[in-house]
Amino acid sequence: DAKTTQPPSMDCAEGRAANLPCNHSTISGNEYVYWYRQIHSQGPQYIIHGLKNNETNEMASLIITEDRKSSTLILPHATLRDTAVYYCIVRVTQQAAGNKLTFGGGTRVLVKP
Amino acid sequence: DTEVTQTPKHLVMGMTNKKSLKCEQHMGHRAMYWYKQKAKKPPELMFVYSYEKLSINESVPSRFSPECPNSSLLNLHLHALQPEDSALYLCASSQVSPFTQYFGPGTRLTVL
Repeated sequence: DAKTTQPPSMDCAEGRAANLPCNHSTISGNEYVYWYRQIHSQGPQYIIHGLKNNETNEMASLIITEDRKSSTLILPHATLRDTAVYYCIVRVTQQAAGNKLTFGGGTRVLVKP
Repeated sequence: DTEVTQTPKHLVMGMTNKKSLKCEQHMGHRAMYWYKQKAKKPPELMFVYSYEKLSINESVPSRFSPECPNSSLLNLHLHALQPEDSALYLCASSQVSPFTQYFGPGTRLTVL
């Protein structure tokens, strides 16, 4: 799976949009970009994923650049409950040996009042 | 319903004890996973079961023994653990395709 690079930490203001960048310059054509987050001492929570097109769901939007070498997760109106570690992962959806998620260091996001 | 349950929430055991962690899902997922997470580190994959068969073992020591008795249940049997095995143990499940994994809350294990 392609390696990802994320800033180790970032702060954002409550009520404002939070833009979380991720670089994945070695991504292959069949690799999807997945985002998970982990609130302190809880299990990781799936947020969103995409291949080429931008995606939006009730939690967030995912913007993938045209060359697919980077992406941005957007939390449109950050709340204090969005304080968490956010992981960007790129992988192939199906592998003969089974599905693997390889977590990188993630971005520790602190939402401030 | 995207719930994965894990029991117990907390476990303290001695190095000579035998204990088991349990994971359960009722989403019809046919792939299940065990991850280990040390403090301030990302989760690390330990085992993958696909259609109740072990498909990936990430070179985990034999003192950890996984078991998948049916498509809804996943166990992790623990024996002769070391204090450095203290960690949060996470279970996840997914369809074989699409891949999205859903995680349980984890079991916090302390080995004395």
